[in-house]
Amino acid sequence: GDSVTQMEGPVTLSEEAFLTINCTYTATGYPSLFWYVQYPGEGLQLLLKATKADDKGSNKGFEATYRKETTSFHLEKGSVQVSDSAVYFCALSEMGNTPLVFGKGTRLSVIA
Amino acid sequence: GAGVSQSPRYKVAKRGQDVALRCDPISGHVSLFWYQQALGQGPEFLTYFQNEAQLDKSGLPSDRFFAERPEGSVSTLKIQRTQQEDSAVYLCASSKTRNTGELFFGEGSRLTVL
Repeated sequence: GDSVTQMEGPVTLSEEAFLTINCTYTATGYPSLFWYVQYPGEGLQLLLKATKADDKGSNKGFEATYRKETTSFHLEKGSVQVSDSAVYFCALSEMGNTPLVFGKGTRLSVIA
Repeated sequence: GAGVSQSPRYKVAKRGQDVALRCDPISGHVSLFWYQQALGQGPEFLTYFQNEAQLDKSGLPSDRFFAERPEGSVSTLKIQRTQQEDSAVYLCASSKTRNTGELFFGEGSRLTVL
């Protein structure tokens, strides 16, 4: 079945550091890919998405590019802030056919 | 507010008790999902409704788990004869149309079974 593997956390960075959170996927079809974020005390919320190969999703300074050849969707941000501290989940969906499948999450802590 | 609302936020049950968890989706959202999130893990799919129809219940872990959405709005997840392994956060999410992957999540109901 479909699955998502993301790098283990926790990840601790200093403010303004560069962030990469790796995500790779396994899917039988041609999925859409997502990053969701869970801030402390809040529900998961969609951060960005990409629906086809070479698409780049972006939001709030975060970016991820759908790489079909490496089955990856790594999350990047050039300069993290303390307010980015959260748990980040990579997910996929074979549109309309299957529900979202999530990775285990990566906890990011940014220190001033 | 206009978001997905779940209640109760916290529930402690003795092993063997029945529990009911409620989800109020965003008004007008057609699709509704239940997920189970164990500590330190990602959400695991339980079941999916489109309006009042339960289209997928493949993720329900046992026949002790039951979900309904009788009028296509509010949904209830019921767990009968709770076991310790049922301890988790139960997440409800809704989306405007059919399953597109763009979900709006509630804050979850944390169930602890003693």
